[in-house]
Amino acid sequence: NAGVTQTPKFRILKIGQSMTLQCTQDMNHNYMYWYRQDPGMGLKLIYYSVGAGITDKGEVPNGYNVSRSTTEDFPLRLELAAPSQTSVYFCASSRTGNYQPQHFGDGTRLSIL
Amino acid sequence: RKEVEQDPGPFNVPEGATVAFNCTYSNSASQSFFWYRQDCRKEPKLLMSVYSSGNEDGRFTAQLNRASQYISLLIRDSKLSDSATYLCVVNTGMDSNYQLIWGAGTKLIIKP
Repeated sequence: NAGVTQTPKFRILKIGQSMTLQCTQDMNHNYMYWYRQDPGMGLKLIYYSVGAGITDKGEVPNGYNVSRSTTEDFPLRLELAAPSQTSVYFCASSRTGNYQPQHFGDGTRLSIL
Repeated sequence: RKEVEQDPGPFNVPEGATVAFNCTYSNSASQSFFWYRQDCRKEPKLLMSVYSSGNEDGRFTAQLNRASQYISLLIRDSKLSDSATYLCVVNTGMDSNYQLIWGAGTKLIIKP
């Protein structure tokens, strides 16, 4: 049982480049989330989705976009990468809303140089 | 005041000791509370949910104090493997019920 799978695990980008972080889950969870975690800080919610076709902004959405065409997949798009986006990105899913625990992927370590 | 606040530590504790952390939250309407554990350079993993009546899971006890707006985590007979960062998580208590607010974590180091 794979759970939540994120790719890639590591990536270095140049300023201004774009990329997509992939996230897929096989638990048939309706809710999915993207977080970023800066060193010594808590997780900050970027975007979330409550089901296929529905997405909404979290606390720090600027510079990112998401889509949710299927229940399983929730990719995060970075357009025009900036050094401030250097962080560890975690994708998570939960069966329902915030009364349920969230299951996390291994994370993507992204550096923008 | 931060929405969720934790003492960053580190707490340096000898093996076998008992250690406790608190976490304060600002939104009195919050209804969901969790403790997660995060090992260095790894993803957070759920340790336990926190219920109004308090709950225990082996050596771990979680409690909620709504009047003072804090939750606590008690670890008894600490093991070397308990070394990690412990994250307090609280829901926003607002209409957008899907957002959890994460504390920055308390780092625990268990010494042999």
